[in-house]
Amino acid sequence: DQQVKQNSPSLSVQEGRISILNCDYTNSMFDYFLWYKKYPAEGPTFLISISSIKDKNEDGRFTVFLNKSAKHLSLHIVPSQPGDSAVYFCAASEAGTYKYIFGTGTRLKVLA
Amino acid sequence: EPEVTQTPSHQVTQMGQEVILRCVPISNHLYFYWYRQILGQKVEFLVSFYNNEISEKSEIFDDQFSVERPDGSNFTLKIRSTKLEDSAMYFCASSVDRGPYNEQFFGPGTRLTVL
Repeated sequence: DQQVKQNSPSLSVQEGRISILNCDYTNSMFDYFLWYKKYPAEGPTFLISISSIKDKNEDGRFTVFLNKSAKHLSLHIVPSQPGDSAVYFCAASEAGTYKYIFGTGTRLKVLA
Repeated sequence: EPEVTQTPSHQVTQMGQEVILRCVPISNHLYFYWYRQILGQKVEFLVSFYNNEISEKSEIFDDQFSVERPDGSNFTLKIRSTKLEDSAMYFCASSVDRGPYNEQFFGPGTRLTVL
């Protein structure tokens, strides 16, 4: 039951360039989407979120884009820094529920 | 900055034994959650808890699992008779409210190893 999919298990980007992480979903009832960052031996850390009534949300170097018709969201990190190297999880939730459905994660490596 | 804490960081147990994983959610949060991540797999929802009762649970959360808020600060997950396949990282999370813009904040996790 892969309602949230991150098809790229890994991504390498040069420091200073843009990192684009992608996420696709199948459940049209999802109304809230989030990105979490996870370092080894730590819990997921909230990064940025977007409600389904918006198509873009920006917070500093991080921007999330939502394309509801394509059931696709992406996270842009500009400029990428070595400290951004981590596993990034996309998550979604449906109105009226409590749970987050997570994707499998994308390991981002930012090269100095 | 307030954070969710979890103890122990690593728990090793024999198959069939009971384990209790402990969490202290952020103090003004009202919603509490447990998730788990089996090695190499995605983070999976187990259960949510609000107002001293389970508000939602997944099919993973069977009769072997229970949750409790024994006092005003702790939130626990009990596995009555552990199985090998219960080996995973268990994450506790909490949120002020549910729904958009009430993000769940995660603890560092407890690694459970069942031998």
